[in-house]
Amino acid sequence: ETGVTQSPTHLIKTRGQQVTLRCSSQSGHNTVSWYQQALGQGPQFIFQYYREEENGRGNFPPRFSGLQFPNYSSELNVNALELDDSALYLCASSLEPRGSGNEQFFGPGTRLTVL
Amino acid sequence: KQEVTQIPAALSVPEGENLVLNCSFTDSAIYNLQWFRQDPGKGLTSLLLIQSSQREQTSGRLNASLDKSSGRSTLYIAASQPGDSATYLCAIISGGYNKLIFGAGTRLAVHP
Repeated sequence: ETGVTQSPTHLIKTRGQQVTLRCSSQSGHNTVSWYQQALGQGPQFIFQYYREEENGRGNFPPRFSGLQFPNYSSELNVNALELDDSALYLCASSLEPRGSGNEQFFGPGTRLTVL
Repeated sequence: KQEVTQIPAALSVPEGENLVLNCSFTDSAIYNLQWFRQDPGKGLTSLLLIQSSQREQTSGRLNASLDKSSGRSTLYIAASQPGDSATYLCAIISGGYNKLIFGAGTRLAVHP
């Protein structure tokens, strides 16, 4: 069984640019959530996708957007990058968005640095 | 607004000690609670998931308890080893779509 994978592992961008991060969910999982983790802090929820639809959103501006594909993989897009967007971006997948199958399994993360 | 607090922020212990990490949350209306381990610069590894109807879960040397009424969870690590050195994160699920709300973590160092 393949776990959650993310690409790329590291990324360096300059302020104002746009970035796309990718996530493949664990086999059989239809729900993907994205989190941002600043250095020394716990992860913060960005949004969740369930069966290709956004299923909940945290306190992040609209320049953070996402997609989920029919195979349940997902993308996180960030436009107009700011210095404060520098963080570890984590993707998590689960069997279902709620209920007993809601244990979340995380990928290794993408380290984004904005200069 | 749900908030999760972890105490202590950092802990350094000699190998072999039993230790307790604490997690508290402000709203007892949680769906479940999950403990994670994070190695430096890496993703999160799920350690234990406690459903809201449960009081504790055990896996090997780890035992996690949940007291919803007092808004507390503890992670007990028995006979600590240097390989246990990592940051331990507590997260609760609140709301209808499984949003995890994390504490800032406890950074554990176990020295030989």
